[in-house]
Amino acid sequence: EIVMTQSPATLSVSPGQRATLSCRASQGVGSSLAWYKQKPGQAPRLLIYGASTRATGIPARFSGSGSGTEFTLTISSLQSEDFAVFYCQQYNNWPRTFGQGTKVEIK
Amino acid sequence: EVQLVQSGAEVKKPGESLKISCKGSGYSFTSYWIGWVRQMPGKGLEWMGIIYPGDSDTRYSPSFQGQVTISADKSISTAYLQWTSLKASDTAMYYCVSSSGSGWFDPWGQGTLVTVSS
Repeated sequence: EIVMTQSPATLSVSPGQRATLSCRASQGVGSSLAWYKQKPGQAPRLLIYGASTRATGIPARFSGSGSGTEFTLTISSLQSEDFAVFYCQQYNNWPRTFGQGTKVEIK
Repeated sequence: EVQLVQSGAEVKKPGESLKISCKGSGYSFTSYWIGWVRQMPGKGLEWMGIIYPGDSDTRYSPSFQGQVTISADKSISTAYLQWTSLKASDTAMYYCVSSSGSGWFDPWGQGTLVTVSS
């Protein structure tokens, strides 16, 4: 099973600032990497798939990059609605696996 | 609009059985995988398994193989997650998810909260 490791566990950022979240795979997954955002009390929502393609309706301030084992999600200017938990997920191999999440909190 | 609607919250006792459901609409139910994701209280997301309703091909995470059963009834566009003997550690929110052949999850159901307590 591929282990996905996210860092940091918690990121404290001021509104309007940039946030950079990392995700590392224990073995290469090509570009088969998705990012999700989950706000308290809500189901997760797809942000990015194919490592860098924004899902429908996702603002341009969200961008994804990377391939192989190292991936990054960047939020260029944090808005109030972006304070949430973010998860990466690989879909190159069975079983599909998630990272443990990065919580982005208000500084 | 593609939508997944899950059955309501459940409160069960240890040892009881349970089957929760997820109804798809707005798309061809037999052409997309339907998966299940567990989220224990205050914890992260865990992929449990997935089924392709078109031919019932089913894959499980090793962590959940033998613990749950995933099935689907394509005649009513509904997928199921089933337990034969619940444990307190099964207490969690369970989400169903739709997945294209490529493998990302979109959309997600609203979640079904399962509480197992004596």
